[in-house]
Amino acid sequence: GAGVSQTPSNKVTEKGKYVELRCDPISGHTALYWYRQSLGQGPEFLIYFQGTGAADDSGLPNDRFFAVRPEGSVSTLKIQRTERGDSAVYLCASSTGQGAMVEQFFGPGTRLTVL
Amino acid sequence: AQKVTQAQTEISVVEKEDVTLDCVYETRDTTYYLFWYKQPPSGELVFLIRRNSFDEQNEISGRYSWNFQKSTSSFNFTITASQVVDSAVYFCALSEGGTYKYIFGTGTRLKVLA
Repeated sequence: GAGVSQTPSNKVTEKGKYVELRCDPISGHTALYWYRQSLGQGPEFLIYFQGTGAADDSGLPNDRFFAVRPEGSVSTLKIQRTERGDSAVYLCASSTGQGAMVEQFFGPGTRLTVL
Repeated sequence: AQKVTQAQTEISVVEKEDVTLDCVYETRDTTYYLFWYKQPPSGELVFLIRRNSFDEQNEISGRYSWNFQKSTSSFNFTITASQVVDSAVYFCALSEGGTYKYIFGTGTRLKVLA
């Protein structure tokens, strides 16, 4: 079946602009995660959804970052007033949501560049 | 606090050599899970293995093997008879029992030369 998909694959924006990044999880997966990966680093957790609700948003760096999953499937990560430091690859993952032991399936990421 | 350390930033080997990637973790939980993922040049993280804290049995899958030792808080990954297709960045990750998020190490870039 289809894996996790993310759009766009690349996004270039100017400092101060608003961006939206989209994630389509694997069908039937109830858990969805966003991570951010800076160059040369491992992914860092941003937010976790179980169904429609954000169960853990402790990784969001500040209030410019927000994510939604209104129907429990597709999720959108929104970044307001982008800064150059926001440049990174944003990864989305999904899982069956049956606990910490289940593996997460990752999408190809969206590479965000803020000029 | 939870932490994953992959001290090897980059390793280069010649094809058919064996190579071990180190992973050391820190956690206060007694229930936790360890993972290895491969990130090829395409960028997509590929799941390799999961291990829970109550199962220290080593595992072998083809040319891959994993050695989990709670006494040293290590979960090392060995590739036997490496191949060029093994070239990638490999990440070790930790998930504590009460949460769902992964804590990743900084990764080890493996280059297998023909």
